[in-house]
Amino acid sequence: SQKIEQNSEALNIQEGKTATLTCNYTNYSPAYLQWYRQDPGRGPVFLLLIRENEKEKRKERLKVTFDTTLKQSLFHITASQPADSATYLCALDRSGGSYIPTFGRGTSLIVHP
Amino acid sequence: DAGVIQSPRHEVTEMGQEVTLRCKPISGHNSLFWYRQTMMRGLELLIYFNNNVPIDDSGMPEDRFSAKMPNASFSTLKIQPSEPRDSAVYFCASRGDAGNTIYFGEGSWLTVV
Repeated sequence: SQKIEQNSEALNIQEGKTATLTCNYTNYSPAYLQWYRQDPGRGPVFLLLIRENEKEKRKERLKVTFDTTLKQSLFHITASQPADSATYLCALDRSGGSYIPTFGRGTSLIVHP
Repeated sequence: DAGVIQSPRHEVTEMGQEVTLRCKPISGHNSLFWYRQTMMRGLELLIYFNNNVPIDDSGMPEDRFSAKMPNASFSTLKIQPSEPRDSAVYFCASRGDAGNTIYFGEGSWLTVV
């Protein structure tokens, strides 16, 4: 069956360090992968999209890598700040190019001042 | 742009009652999604509409759940009769033709007692 796995344990880091979050998947052949941020009591907000033929994507302090051989994406936040504390979800489109996003359960990031 | 608008934001209802959640997608978006989020199961797709037509309703848990999209600017998700296990946050999201990003509303927090 199709699975998207994100670390269920919260990631605690110190301000200024780089946060790295992992998204692993099985039985998917996604055309793209997305990362979203969700704050408590709010809906998820889109951050970055990376396509299957792209290895890396950057946006300001954010960097995403996508390894379709390992079936893994890494999401990096450099120079992290307490305001980056949130839950980060990865999403893949369902196999077959249906472009229906299926979400992982997310990883909570806590950045300590 | 007003974003995706959902109502009600919070609803507490008694078991057996009918619940109707409403959604206004972003103007011009032709795809609409209903998701449900719980601690146990994360963010699950319930139903996906494209151009007001239900394309994938495989995530609708059972016959107690129904969704409609009578026009491009309005959708409803109805639960009848409601049960305590339906307690969750229900998100509506929309997407335009030009991209893969979906935009979420702030969610409807449902508690069935």
